[in-house]
Amino acid sequence: KNEVEQSPQNLTAQEGEFITINCSYSVGISALHWLQQHPGGGIVSLFMLSSGKKKHGRLIATINIQEKHSSLHITASHPRDSAVYICAVRSEYGGSQGNLIFGKGTKLSVKP
Amino acid sequence: DAGVTQSPTHLIKTRGQQVTLRCSPKSGHDTVSWYQQALGQGPQFIFQYYEEEERQRGNFPDRFSGHQFPNYSSELNVNALLLGDSALYLCASSLRRGTSSGNTIYFGEGSWLTVV
Repeated sequence: KNEVEQSPQNLTAQEGEFITINCSYSVGISALHWLQQHPGGGIVSLFMLSSGKKKHGRLIATINIQEKHSSLHITASHPRDSAVYICAVRSEYGGSQGNLIFGKGTKLSVKP
Repeated sequence: DAGVTQSPTHLIKTRGQQVTLRCSPKSGHDTVSWYQQALGQGPQFIFQYYEEEERQRGNFPDRFSGHQFPNYSSELNVNALLLGDSALYLCASSLRRGTSSGNTIYFGEGSWLTVV
């Protein structure tokens, strides 16, 4: 079993829909990252969370430390949101610079 | 302000050859981490460099080695290439010095390595 599990693996939505991507992890963490990867390969950091909730534009990320679960929400989805969304956790044993453990990603496709 | 830059962007090597990939961290960052991402998979941690030393290492064989220079840039070297080494190699930078907690990590566009 992977230490970081994401669901769903693939997601197709219509433009304007509300989208939720889930991430569960089994290790102790110091932080959780939500990342966006476009087909070219480059990765952009969307959020870094250690507790609670963060919002940036149409993106909202939440984390429940006790349940070891995080969600990424996209409101009013748009075709330009189409990408792979990756959840990554920073192991608590590495301290503030511990290495990241990645989920396999959720491939999102938003149709116009 | 340039972000993380990696070179080359794409390369093809033959089994048994050696390859060197390069990374310049975001301005002001002192820590560089390298990740391998096979097709359809999430990235896997290779190692991390800080103050020119390897600080952490993932589950990769000794064929994978690295270096960090005084200007914080870094190289990833892979010897005796195998077909299974074909992947996207990502470099990520962050700031360690002066921080007491984790901070935002920045990724490069990656280097696509194909071993034939």
